[in-house]
Amino acid sequence: AQSVTQPDIHITVSEGASLELRCNYSYGATPYLFWYVQSPGQGLQLLLKYFSGDTLVQGIKGFEAEFKRSQSSFNLRKPSVHWSDAAEYFCAVGPSGGYQKVTFGTGTKLQVIP
Amino acid sequence: DAGVIQSPRHEVTEMGQEVTLRCKPISGHDYLFWYRQTMMRGLELLIYFNNNVPIDDSGMPEDRFSAKMPNASFSTLKIQPSEPRDSAVYFCASSLDSRKSGTGAANTGELFFGEGSRLTVL
Repeated sequence: AQSVTQPDIHITVSEGASLELRCNYSYGATPYLFWYVQSPGQGLQLLLKYFSGDTLVQGIKGFEAEFKRSQSSFNLRKPSVHWSDAAEYFCAVGPSGGYQKVTFGTGTKLQVIP
Repeated sequence: DAGVIQSPRHEVTEMGQEVTLRCKPISGHDYLFWYRQTMMRGLELLIYFNNNVPIDDSGMPEDRFSAKMPNASFSTLKIQPSEPRDSAVYFCASSLDSRKSGTGAANTGELFFGEGSRLTVL
């Protein structure tokens, strides 16, 4: 069964600092991997996704993620965090060839301090 | 373009009452998903439909929960009778089958979420 682990429940960073959110997945084949962001009171919005090809994926809002098969990881990064990035971030994994039964991680809540 | 529309945004009801949550997916999308989000359990997939047909309802907690999709533009999630432990935010999401549209892998997998229905059962 596929699963996703986000080991950090809560992270606090200073505005302008770099950010890395960790995500580890478990899946028997090549997965589809996603990062979503949820602002308070809102639904989830896709930041980026990986299916194949280049392991470094660029997304919206200046985010990027790197797929590392050897480490079963798909960490999300941003070089300089803005106060508006404060939100909850979800990593998700889905089976290759389809996106049904996408499994979400438990989320990492990001706090940005001035 | 309108996104996924859910109603009501907030619902407060008493234990034992029937609750109906509604969802209008994005026009042209082939898949519709119902998720539940709680602090304790995170985001759980309850059920999903493909072309209005329920494909997998293994996430539906129990018989008190039911979902329908009578047409491509409307779905309901019903809880009867409701219990305090059903309190959560319920999200509807829709997605496009890129294989059908021929748009390729670039569109595969993205879920478009509504803003959610926050349910409180007293």
